[in-house]
Amino acid sequence: GEDVEQSLFLSVREGDSSVINCTYTDSSSTYLYWYKQEPGAGLQLLTYIFSNMDMKQDQRLTVLLNKKDKHLSLRIADTQTGDSAIYFCAESSSGGSYIPTFGRGTSLIVHP
Amino acid sequence: DTEVTQTPKHLVMGMTNKKSLKCEQHMGHRAMYWYKQKAKKPPELMFVYSYEKLSINESVPSRFSPECPNSSLLNLHLHALQPEDSALYLCASSQERTARLGQGASGANVLTFGAGSRLTVL
Repeated sequence: GEDVEQSLFLSVREGDSSVINCTYTDSSSTYLYWYKQEPGAGLQLLTYIFSNMDMKQDQRLTVLLNKKDKHLSLRIADTQTGDSAIYFCAESSSGGSYIPTFGRGTSLIVHP
Repeated sequence: DTEVTQTPKHLVMGMTNKKSLKCEQHMGHRAMYWYKQKAKKPPELMFVYSYEKLSINESVPSRFSPECPNSSLLNLHLHALQPEDSALYLCASSQERTARLGQGASGANVLTFGAGSRLTVL
């Protein structure tokens, strides 16, 4: 199976919260990242979390990490149409080269 | 300057052409990366340069030839490509402390990506 897995699609109504989930397999993962990619553009780092943390909040974004279950989530509060994009989960490990391994991405569609 | 600049944005080439993709950053990053991204897929790592030396080649065919002329520039030379090589090619860079790959570097390896070069091979 893949090292980092995400569901492929999520559709929400504007103003609702979005929750994008990710699971990973590498128990030595040290940092976990969320990147956003808008159509035709490169990836933009949204936030990252160190593996000894459970939660990190940054304005409308909340990252939750369950290290025991190797589960990461990104919650976007008050989702706007401008949040429509592909969201990539990634992990890097202390045992490896520190190069992030990306999931397949979750396509978030926000309806007015 | 907090950007990675890639040129050209779009490139159409025939299978017998030779072309190059260029990438530039002025953030003092000492690791630079080439990724290939097909539609609806995650970026796939191709090459990594650390301190201007090639440190990782992910078994990329020799029709792709990377070059790092200095710490700010990264090129990808293309020759005799196939239609299946059509993709978005992304350049990225990251900071010095994480550039010594595999040598006990610490800290998050935050990659800054360019907007990409959309390549079409006819």
